[in-house]
Amino acid sequence: GAVVSQHPSWVICKSGTSVKIECRSLDFQATTMFWYRQFPKQSLMLMATSNEGSKATYEQGVEKDKFLINHASLTLSTLTVTSAHPEDSSFYICSARDRGLAYRYEQYFGPGTRLTVT
Amino acid sequence: AQSVTQPDIHITVSEGASLELRCNYSYGATPYLFWYVQSPGQGLQLLLKYFSGDTLVQGIKGFEAEFKRSQSSFNLRKPSVHWSDAAEYFCASRKRGNKLVFGAGTILRVKS
Repeated sequence: GAVVSQHPSWVICKSGTSVKIECRSLDFQATTMFWYRQFPKQSLMLMATSNEGSKATYEQGVEKDKFLINHASLTLSTLTVTSAHPEDSSFYICSARDRGLAYRYEQYFGPGTRLTVT
Repeated sequence: AQSVTQPDIHITVSEGASLELRCNYSYGATPYLFWYVQSPGQGLQLLLKYFSGDTLVQGIKGFEAEFKRSQSSFNLRKPSVHWSDAAEYFCASRKRGNKLVFGAGTILRVKS
């Protein structure tokens, strides 16, 4: 149980284009999902918290107009990197909290999406 | 501000040897602490967590961790390391809003 998937697993796009990354909780409902960014050989940096049916809350320094987050259902959140540039190249990881197990304070992580902007 | 420190960037141990990965936290109240493992190009898998109660926590894959309030530490241990344990390990603490703050990570190398 508690499986989180991400699609695509890797993507290469040209500078100036937009890329959408999907995060799905496969066997549980997630009212809250989180988006992280991880640079090579570095730790995870929280970008934003995605709440189903409401606007995402972004961490300080993260451009909300560049990283659009939509959490339209209890099992799906999407991150769209708009007008991507090479500096946006990174490993993006999502996580989700099980609505029915909120007391456990656990986050279940997806396998990540490798974005390369050329 | 709440923070998590992993002092060791890399650790190399021989297969079959014991392992201890260090983690220190800064938080006034009792923290919620986690250890995650990440294989290359993969997401994170939860090894174990501590919220309250018994300070020695057992996790998956033979790992355990001990919460020591006096030392603000939550070190991860394994009595006998296997080659498949080679990965990067992250210590994390829960903060307000159910967010996680991660340490910098420790890369474990296992030599045969």
